Amino acid sequence: GAVVSQHPSRVICKSGTSVKIECRSLDFQATTMFWYRQFPKQSLMLMATSNEGSKATYEQGVEKDKFLINHASLTLSTLTVTSAHPEDSSFYICSALVNTEAFFGQGTRLTVV
Amino acid sequence: EDKVVQSPLSLVVHEGDTVTLNCSYEVTNFRSLLWYKQEKKAPTFLFMLTSSGIEKKSGRLSSILDKKELFSILNITATQTGDSAVYLCAGRGSNYKLTFGKGTLLTVNP
Repeated sequence: GAVVSQHPSRVICKSGTSVKIECRSLDFQATTMFWYRQFPKQSLMLMATSNEGSKATYEQGVEKDKFLINHASLTLSTLTVTSAHPEDSSFYICSALVNTEAFFGQGTRLTVV
Repeated sequence: EDKVVQSPLSLVVHEGDTVTLNCSYEVTNFRSLLWYKQEKKAPTFLFMLTSSGIEKKSGRLSSILDKKELFSILNITATQTGDSAVYLCAGRGSNYKLTFGKGTLLTVNP
């Protein structure tokens, strides 16, 4: 199947700093990528839909100025958590759409201290 | 708002048992129902179901969709300790967005 590479897999940052997470499609082009967040013992919650060359579409309740998404090329989407706070600590996962199937990155465990 | 409900939330069985995991959904412009297995990291794809009544099988796992009742089940026969994971069900509507259930935590004891 298609390979989606997400980096970093784990990051610890100080409160108030920004963190960038990358999601790359390695062997295909992804015009659409999705960003999810998963808190402990909770399900995956869709944050936003990222479309190459256009602005991301955010789900209700997700602050677009805090979670900046850039999908500048057909193989790369980035999520930047700006001015991170401890409550942003979570597991962030991207997925890329290939035809009608979604392939997931490995996820990024973010811990804000 | 789209909603996916899974039951039970957790399940503990012994190796060799058969388990049935349930998923009900309310998804606008429903396209398909997907099952994933999540161990410690990202989910891995198991099945995608689009038609009612057609069972999909992969080894000891099988799944079926009932579009009239808005329901799907995932069966695992002859469970093994390696089947221990969270099983996620997701409904796909228009725009290919996935709405996930909370998952069923399956623990298979030796």
